Amino acid sequence: AQKITQTQPGMFVQEKEAVTLDCTYDTSDPSYGLFWYKQPSSGEMIFLIYQGSYDQQNATEGRYSLNFQKARKSANLVISASQLGDSAMYFCAMREGSSGYSTLTFGKGTMLLVSP
Amino acid sequence: DSGVTQTPKHLITATGQRVTLRCSPRSGDLSVYWYQQSLDQGLQFLIQYYNGEERAKGNILERFSAQQFPDLHSELNLSSLELGDSALYFCASSGGVGQGASYEQYFGPGTRLTVT
Repeated sequence: AQKITQTQPGMFVQEKEAVTLDCTYDTSDPSYGLFWYKQPSSGEMIFLIYQGSYDQQNATEGRYSLNFQKARKSANLVISASQLGDSAMYFCAMREGSSGYSTLTFGKGTMLLVSP
Repeated sequence: DSGVTQTPKHLITATGQRVTLRCSPRSGDLSVYWYQQSLDQGLQFLIQYYNGEERAKGNILERFSAQQFPDLHSELNLSSLELGDSALYFCASSGGVGQGASYEQYFGPGTRLTVT
């Protein structure tokens, strides 16, 4: 089974609207972390937000928030007030185990296009 | 700017050749990870080093090898190159001393390898 599943190959949103990018994960480890990265067309991978499995509150970073539903094993990224510069590929990733130095498993990504 | 540097940015070489990709982690980070991103395989973890020692191995071919030097920079060596090795190769770093549980991995800009 895939460890990280991103079911939306592509999403379209209008500028200033909010958008939710889906991510579900599969792990039996009680300690894990979930990450979202943005990859614009230039190719670099930009870290957006992190949620630990024991974190009580949903993570937020500016316009980004992570809707963490542990029982459903989902970690959706919410981008509020979309901007044209948000057009990019978005990857969900998971670290398993309690070490801060564990490797990441990535989903296949969702391409987000923001239109004026 | 993530603070992780990678050289070269682009590399074009012929089948059968050998290349070396270089990565310098963020200041203070002890862990270096190598990832390969290709259209058909997505983002795949190759290998991880922590403070000079190999810590984890992923889907790394036997033709590929890596090392981390005392100054913490890392090199990924790819030999007997095949057309299918064409990909974007990322280096990421994490886990600076004194930062506690630094879970985020910060990615370099990548090296785009084209094998002709």
